[in-house]
Amino acid sequence: DGGITQSPKYLFRKEGQNVTLSCEQNLNHDAMYWYRQDPGQGLRLIYYSQIVNDFQKGDIAEGYSVSREKKESFPLTVTSAQKNPTAFYLCASQGVEAGNYEQYFGPGTRLTVT
Amino acid sequence: GESVGLHLPTLSVQEGDNSIINCAYSNSASDYFIWYKQESGKGPQFIIDIRSNMDKRQGQRVTVLLNKTVKHLSLQIAATQPGDSAVYFCAENIGMDSSYKLIFGSGTRLLVRP
Repeated sequence: DGGITQSPKYLFRKEGQNVTLSCEQNLNHDAMYWYRQDPGQGLRLIYYSQIVNDFQKGDIAEGYSVSREKKESFPLTVTSAQKNPTAFYLCASQGVEAGNYEQYFGPGTRLTVT
Repeated sequence: GESVGLHLPTLSVQEGDNSIINCAYSNSASDYFIWYKQESGKGPQFIIDIRSNMDKRQGQRVTVLLNKTVKHLSLQIAATQPGDSAVYFCAENIGMDSSYKLIFGSGTRLLVRP
């Protein structure tokens, strides 16, 4: 059963704590992405990785960090430096064949920091 | 459509009517466009895509139209059903830097009245 999974679905943390969101895919996709979505708004790109051991900052990378040690996994750490971490976080993966740009999304993790 | 602050543009249609959701894209070099549907609390799901060498593509109950002259994309949903209620996003791939990133629009909320 191929797909992309995110865990947990809901996450609660106290202000000042780092938290890591999990993203795993078994689609054999090379590229993976993290987006942030705030209520009533679109998707904003945090980080992306087009190959193992390499990743690039997106539009709103400050206060976040990622790693890509395995093709299947792209965890996102929300650090205490992120000023407004409460949001819905979406992970996506994508095959990088020529002309194939469809991204497959996970179910999302809703992070609440108080 | 463009979002204003926290409020997504909303399209309200009667069940059984056709829906047309519009999107203005930003870059004339974009070579691929995609529509996603996002239900509340879930990740976006692929609906249909179109490449820049086409001006129309049809799927099951959905049609995407591309007008490159005015940089406009539309999604038409025939015989709209209650299950179509969701937020719809368009996205474009600019294709200029060998990146596979998608640039997302801010979304339109579709409400289907019974």
